[in-house]
Amino acid sequence: GQSLEQPSEVTAVEGAIVQINCTYQTSGFYGLSWYQQHDGGAPTFLSYNALDGLEETGRFSSFLSRSDSYGYLLLQELQMKDSASYFCAVWQAGTALIFGKGTTLSVSS
Amino acid sequence: DVKVTQSSRYLVKRTGEKVFLECVQDMDHENMFWYRQDPGLGLRLIYFSYDVKMKEKGDIPEGYSVSREKKERFSLILESASTNQTSMYLCASSKDASNQPQHFGDGTRLSIL
Repeated sequence: GQSLEQPSEVTAVEGAIVQINCTYQTSGFYGLSWYQQHDGGAPTFLSYNALDGLEETGRFSSFLSRSDSYGYLLLQELQMKDSASYFCAVWQAGTALIFGKGTTLSVSS
Repeated sequence: DVKVTQSSRYLVKRTGEKVFLECVQDMDHENMFWYRQDPGLGLRLIYFSYDVKMKEKGDIPEGYSVSREKKERFSLILESASTNQTSMYLCASSKDASNQPQHFGDGTRLSIL
């Protein structure tokens, strides 16, 4: 089977940096993705890591360590609009994306 | 932009009814997926399809079936609705085998009374 672990809640203030961790157990691992979902909205794609290392896209970065079965999403210069749920998801051989249970990020002023 | 359209935003049905949830995508994507989302449980994969007339079970297929007669349309069927199937249902599509990115519809909030 497969499992993903991520914190259920994270709180931070505007302008801060926050890191959301994700550990996974799976076989035939291909890559790790991150999705954002605002209340009442559809999940939207943020990033995908197939190789070890850091991928940067604007204020958001995503990191993967395949040897540690671990990744994280780093959000910098937090804004109120970043308040949302963030899901890590693994792509493994022979199946579709498997999502974690999500991390609710609350950004306060 | 990719558009994934789910036929209903809100739906109320009664136990025992046969329920159809429709999903259409307009970008000629090969892959389509059905998830249900419940508080604290994240997105759980029900069924997916990598081609017309092809289907694969996800993690929680019991009580559901799917149909993919045309490439752009993927239907989720609740054969005999039960109250524990009250949930938010999300359809998604992706272009290639990497499934990156998946494009989601706005979801159908289904209540079974």
